[in-house]
Amino acid sequence: GAVVSQHPSRVICKSGTSVKIECRSLDFQATTMFWYRQFPKKSLMLMATSNEGSKATYEQGVEKDKFLINHASLTLSTLTVTSAHPEDSSFYICSALSGNTEAFFGQGTRLTVV
Amino acid sequence: GNSVTQMEGPVTLSEEAFLTINCTYTATGYPSLFWYVQYPGEGLQLLLKATKADDKGSNKGFEATYRKETTSFHLEKGSVQVSDSAVYFCALDGDSNYQLIWGAGTKLIIKP
Repeated sequence: GAVVSQHPSRVICKSGTSVKIECRSLDFQATTMFWYRQFPKKSLMLMATSNEGSKATYEQGVEKDKFLINHASLTLSTLTVTSAHPEDSSFYICSALSGNTEAFFGQGTRLTVV
Repeated sequence: GNSVTQMEGPVTLSEEAFLTINCTYTATGYPSLFWYVQYPGEGLQLLLKATKADDKGSNKGFEATYRKETTSFHLEKGSVQVSDSAVYFCALDGDSNYQLIWGAGTKLIIKP
């Protein structure tokens, strides 16, 4: 199947700094990518839908100024957690749509804010 | 380590047929088990879940029972509809408390 690469897999940052997470579709073009967040022992939560060349659509309750999403090309979407705080510590995972019918997931990023 | 194995797709059925999508897992401890669904062009949605052995999750006519003795969490529906065409993912929560372990997904195609 198609490959989606998410980087980094783990990151530890200091409170107040910003962290960028990349999601790349390696062998297909993805006009749509999704960003999810998982809280401990909770189900995955959709944060936003990222469409190439346009502004991301955020789910209710997700701060768009806090979680900046840029989908600048058909193979790359980035999520930047700005002014990170310990409560932002979580597991973030992206997925990319191939052909508008199948989603392929990145490996996920574990963010720890200290 | 923890892992989830799903039956390979695509699974093609006629409308009103009975559906089973197999899911087995390997895990230490007592994970929670999930089925997620992705409809064409949309993001993932949680379909159902079970948090302990013998629990049955159900939603939209779908059911799955947490079977510890067979380490399975098979998804079933008695009568499928064309609108059920989607990709279904089985998952368990790993022991890190942050990460879901995903199956590869099973594409379901329902023909009228």
